[in-house]
Amino acid sequence: AQSVTQLGSHVSVSEGALVLLRCNYSSSVPPYLFWYVQYPNQGLQLLLKYTSAATLVKGINGFEAEFKKSETSFHLTKPSAHMSDAAEYFCAVRGFGGTSYGKLTFGQGTILTVHP
Amino acid sequence: EAQVTQNPRYLITVTGKKLTVTCSQNMNHEYMSWYRQDPGLGLRQIYYSMNVEVTDKGDVPEGYKVSRKEKRNFPLILESPSPNQTSLYFCASSGQGYYEQYFGPGTRLTVT
Repeated sequence: AQSVTQLGSHVSVSEGALVLLRCNYSSSVPPYLFWYVQYPNQGLQLLLKYTSAATLVKGINGFEAEFKKSETSFHLTKPSAHMSDAAEYFCAVRGFGGTSYGKLTFGQGTILTVHP
Repeated sequence: EAQVTQNPRYLITVTGKKLTVTCSQNMNHEYMSWYRQDPGLGLRQIYYSMNVEVTDKGDVPEGYKVSRKEKRNFPLILESPSPNQTSLYFCASSGQGYYEQYFGPGTRLTVT
């Protein structure tokens, strides 16, 4: 079974500081990994995805993530935080095989707070 | 505009009164899913569907039913809702390829 663990349910940074949100996965097959963002009272929006093409993945709004197989990690980073980045972030892994291609397993989420 | 729609967006009901939350997508996607979101637990998949008439249980299917009679629609049915089903529900769809999922705006359900 696949699983995702997000380290830290809350992360607080100052505006302009580095954002680092941690995600570790467990998968018996090469994983497809995703980061989603949820702004208050909204649905989920895809930030970026890893599909085995390149280990460093660039997404929207200046975010990027690096896939590290040896560490089973897929951490999300942004060099300089903006107030508008305040949201909840979810890491997810896609299922494998048959109908499981439609299955996404999410981490518990990390709430990012940005201070002025 | 490509989108996933859900109705209603907000629903307050009483224990045992059957309800249906509708979900529709206009992207001709094969896969559709239902999730519930609870604080501290992230999103958990309830049911998913690979195509018309093909559905499978997710991680928390108890107390829910689904059907996929048309490709664009995937309703979630609670035949006898209970207070522990109070939650925020999301429908999602995805197509062939990398299967990234597109989410609806959510339905906030309260069962008293």
